[in-house]
Amino acid sequence: AQSVTQPDIHITVSEGASLELRCNYSYGATPYLFWYVQSPGQGLQLLLKYFSGDTLVQGIKGFEAEFKRSQSSFNLRKPSVHWSDAAEYFCAVGGGSQGNLIFGKGTKLSVKP
Amino acid sequence: NAGVTQTPKFQVLKTGQSMTLQCAQDMNHNSMYWYRQDPGMGLRLIYYSASEGTTDKGEVPNGYNVSRLNKREFSLRLESAAPSQTSVYFCASPGSPYNEQFFGPGTRLTVL
Repeated sequence: AQSVTQPDIHITVSEGASLELRCNYSYGATPYLFWYVQSPGQGLQLLLKYFSGDTLVQGIKGFEAEFKRSQSSFNLRKPSVHWSDAAEYFCAVGGGSQGNLIFGKGTKLSVKP
Repeated sequence: NAGVTQTPKFQVLKTGQSMTLQCAQDMNHNSMYWYRQDPGMGLRLIYYSASEGTTDKGEVPNGYNVSRLNKREFSLRLESAAPSQTSVYFCASPGSPYNEQFFGPGTRLTVL
């Protein structure tokens, strides 16, 4: 069965430091992959997506992610974190049997001043 | 163009009460979904509708019913609310299967 694993429940980084959030997926075919961000009390906003082609994808707010088929990973990165990036981040794969997305359990990001 | 809208934003119910969560999309999409979000669980699919007039169960359908009223609207009903249904409920709609889903702002439901 398709699944998404986000190994880190909570990460704290200092403002200005680099960030990498990990995501591993299990899916038989070439996956559609997504990263969403959720600020406290808000809905989900799409950061970026991968369908095919270039394995390094750029998103909004300075985020990027790299698809590595050999590692079944789709890690999210940002070179310099801002305090406003504090939020919860969800990785998802478009592999549900009903055409739905399958979500990881999320990684909460805290940013230290 | 509002995308996906949901009402209400917040609701408190007593055990055994009923309510309907409303969702509407103005993107002319065929599919619509209801998810619930619980701490540490990510989002789980409750019900979905592939097109007007069709609905089907997702991963966690027990205790819920849905109605696809027309292409725009997809409602979720709790007939007899239970504390285990305390959650945040999101409606979503993709442009095509497995594709990016556009989410509504969510309904935060507490069942006492």
